Amino acid sequence: DGGITQSPKYLFRKEGQNVTLSCEQNLNHDAMYWYRQDPGQGLRLIYYSQIVNDFQKGDIAEGYSVSREKKESFPLTVTSAQKNPTAFYLCASSISTSGMETQYFGPGTRLLVL
Amino acid sequence: GENVEQHPSTLSVQEGDSAVIKCTYSDSASNYFPWYKQELGKRPQLIIDIRSNVGEKKDQRIAVTLNKTAKHFSLHITETQPEDSAVYFCAALSPGGYNKLIFGAGTRLAVHP
Repeated sequence: DGGITQSPKYLFRKEGQNVTLSCEQNLNHDAMYWYRQDPGQGLRLIYYSQIVNDFQKGDIAEGYSVSREKKESFPLTVTSAQKNPTAFYLCASSISTSGMETQYFGPGTRLLVL
Repeated sequence: GENVEQHPSTLSVQEGDSAVIKCTYSDSASNYFPWYKQELGKRPQLIIDIRSNVGEKKDQRIAVTLNKTAKHFSLHITETQPEDSAVYFCAALSPGGYNKLIFGAGTRLAVHP
């Protein structure tokens, strides 16, 4: 579990503000993912990356942006265009891009709107 | 694209009873089906998975069955214990150029002593 970290644990966003959630892994994993978790809706994929400098939109990418400049880092920015950002955000990584390997999750960031 | 439905959304059992959670998927090309457990306030963790060339897999008190024809798979927990109380998520791998997991909505399992 300690191989993938997220910060901060709690984040407060003001109206119209962009905020960035950090995700770091020291597992040497190629693939990284961002999920949004809302009560009763399970895990929904926001963005994923299978290699440095490449990423793909998931099912709910609108209002979010990512970058993958380093293998170990995959930050998520929640932009002002995301009108309902209050949720629990989970980052995950897996060793390869086949999809058939275990995804290891970070501890999550809870985003709240002021 | 792939769609995964999970039932029931909540499940309450007495300690020692069995629990069964069912998922259906839409994409017949899906070939990998993991189950994740999320305890309260903690991160999801893989508990068992099954690939499409296998019909059943067991690991101590938990087992997963897969029916490719009907496009459904199930998680079976026997001799449930209070520490099995958690939210369980099924998922299906949507194959293609960019492989990604599609998760079900989750089942909240409560095991009462």
